[in-house]
Amino acid sequence: EVQLVESGGGLVQPGGSLRLSCAASGFTFNNYAMSWVRQAPGKGLEWVSGINSGGNVYYADSVKGRFTVSRDNSRNTLNLQMNSLRAEDTAIYYCAKDYRYPDVGEPLLDHWGQGTLVTVSS
Amino acid sequence: DIVMTQTPLSSPVTLGQPASISCRSSQSLVHSNGNTYLSWLQQRPGQPPRLLIYKISNRFSGVPDRFSGSGAGTDFTLIISRVEAEDVGVYYCVQATQFPRTFGQGTKLEIK
Repeated sequence: EVQLVESGGGLVQPGGSLRLSCAASGFTFNNYAMSWVRQAPGKGLEWVSGINSGGNVYYADSVKGRFTVSRDNSRNTLNLQMNSLRAEDTAIYYCAKDYRYPDVGEPLLDHWGQGTLVTVSS
Repeated sequence: DIVMTQTPLSSPVTLGQPASISCRSSQSLVHSNGNTYLSWLQQRPGQPPRLLIYKISNRFSGVPDRFSGSGAGTDFTLIISRVEAEDVGVYYCVQATQFPRTFGQGTKLEIK
């Protein structure tokens, strides 16, 4: 059974930093890209960042230069280092299992964690 | 970035009746490998998103067959053939053809 468990959320002051982690199990982690998606209170889904199986990284413009995504394939863990946090970064952050390369016909964005809440406030 | 536009944003539906949600992308979602990475997600209140449909029309494991997807290129549709009470929530289309992934604004499905 695929499981994704996020951790590391909490209350932080504007300008502060947090490091989120996502522990993955139930699938061959290093074969898959992974994504971080956030949801501000009462709002829709916003893709934040992704990393593919080769380690290539991608960011939304809203977080570029402030957030850094990484993965530890030996520990089946996805990380998101968030610096220079702003009030508008307040959201539930979800990790999601993304695509497999090469595409062998499997679904993508098929499993999501329960999310971890990040609140940026003074 | 690819912009995803959903209509309607709110859909009051009678139990047992069909519901339809449209999603339009600002550019073709056909990948260089020939696949079209358009998915539909359901988010029930207080829950994380759940995958319903991937690559336009493939139902994910465990998804009831009253959910179906269709479309091509830039225009896509999610249809619920007979709405049930458990279908209440917000539905999102998402493109995964390229980074950044982009979502539609969400369509709130409510029971009349």
